[in-house]
Amino acid sequence: DQQVKQNSPSLSVQEGRISILNCDYTNSMFDYFLWYKKYPAEGPTFLISISSIKDKNEDGRFTVFLNKSAKHLSLHIVPSQPGDSAVYFCAASLTQGGSEKLVFGKGTKLTVNP
Amino acid sequence: DAGITQSPRHKVTETGTPVTLRCHQTENHRYMYWYRQDPGHGLRLIHYSYGVKDTDKGEVSDGYSVSRSKTEDFLLTLESATSSQTSVYFCAISELLAGVYTQYFGPGTRLTVL
Repeated sequence: DQQVKQNSPSLSVQEGRISILNCDYTNSMFDYFLWYKKYPAEGPTFLISISSIKDKNEDGRFTVFLNKSAKHLSLHIVPSQPGDSAVYFCAASLTQGGSEKLVFGKGTKLTVNP
Repeated sequence: DAGITQSPRHKVTETGTPVTLRCHQTENHRYMYWYRQDPGHGLRLIHYSYGVKDTDKGEVSDGYSVSRSKTEDFLLTLESATSSQTSVYFCAISELLAGVYTQYFGPGTRLTVL
């Protein structure tokens, strides 16, 4: 049973426009949500996070929105740049028994065209 | 890069042979994780550790074992490798960042089992 879903395997946008990557989750016990970016042949790199008690977090060109009632979050990249082309993973954090674990979505491949 | 190295970076082995992957960190992090990444599956947790000699299973632990005899090293062992274990393996550590336990990843090990 997939607890974190990224329903779009791929997304293509023009340079300078907005990229919106979406993520849905099913477990209301998740306490944080994180976005990671991954280039080929490299490890995932942390981008931005949001607490479950917030509805927005912004860091430069990246903004994450959280809609708890809909169990939905989205990552907005404005303006998109060719260097943003990568696979983006949504992850949800669950703390149980003193241990913290992440559950990842399957990823969305973003292509930003010059 | 959170001071995480993985070795080897690439390995080709044959079915039935034992394989050990090493994750090394230099910053005394308590939590360490092993993931595998496969097309269409995102990142899946294999095992994790919350201290020396303290480990627990993740969602895809069958066929894998781990050991942590020192804080800095977390070893992943495939006792008898199978072709289904061909994957890219990532190690991660967890660090508290602005109140959020954020995981940082190593560069990965590409394992091919023939």
